[in-house]
Amino acid sequence: EVQLVESGGGLVQPGRSLRLSCAASGFTFDDYAMHWVRQAPGKGLEWVSGISWNSGSIGYADSVKGRFTISRDNAKNSLYLQMNSLRAEDTALYYCAKNYDSSGNWYFDLWGRGTLVTVSS
Amino acid sequence: DIQMTQSPSSLSASVGDRVTITCRASQSISSYLNWYQQKPGKAPKLLIYAASSLQSGVPSRFSGSGSGTDFTLTISSLQPEDFATYYCQQSYSTLGVTFGQGTRLEIK
Repeated sequence: EVQLVESGGGLVQPGRSLRLSCAASGFTFDDYAMHWVRQAPGKGLEWVSGISWNSGSIGYADSVKGRFTISRDNAKNSLYLQMNSLRAEDTALYYCAKNYDSSGNWYFDLWGRGTLVTVSS
Repeated sequence: DIQMTQSPSSLSASVGDRVTITCRASQSISSYLNWYQQKPGKAPKLLIYAASSLQSGVPSRFSGSGSGTDFTLTISSLQPEDFATYYCQQSYSTLGVTFGQGTRLEIK
């Protein structure tokens, strides 16, 4: 089955760190760029970060630049998001998403169910 | 960063209506515009990519048009399952993609 399964979310205090993981299955993981997209409670979608198939191209939203780091392990079919210096405004459901194709055009045709990150003291 | 502005923010319509949602980019993005549908408690679903290409499995009542800065998503005849929130997303700026704020489509 083609799917993405996120894990690693939870309740964390402001200023602390958290690492999210996304396990991919059912497709050739290292053919595609991968992304993290988040959605704060009751709010819209915000792209967080993306990484090309070979980790050669990486992008971040301005809101997380310098605090979050995206990475991938193609041997393990896994995507990661290291989140440091967390803030209350990082509270959101974090989705893992697969790029539509192998081009450098970044949009998303497969999404996980999300993992919830709550930043609060 | 490229800003994406959708209008309206919310919309009430009836089953069978023709509905149009607009998305405007803060600069030209050629045809690098995609549309998603999100239902409550669910992940978004890709509907339209490259402004006008219908994603596999998406009903033909959905269509997209536009280029440059102005784009539209049209639903030709609303069905009960179409009531959801719709988002546009630009993929012109590869290392900094952005979404519109969303349009909530509600039953009248």
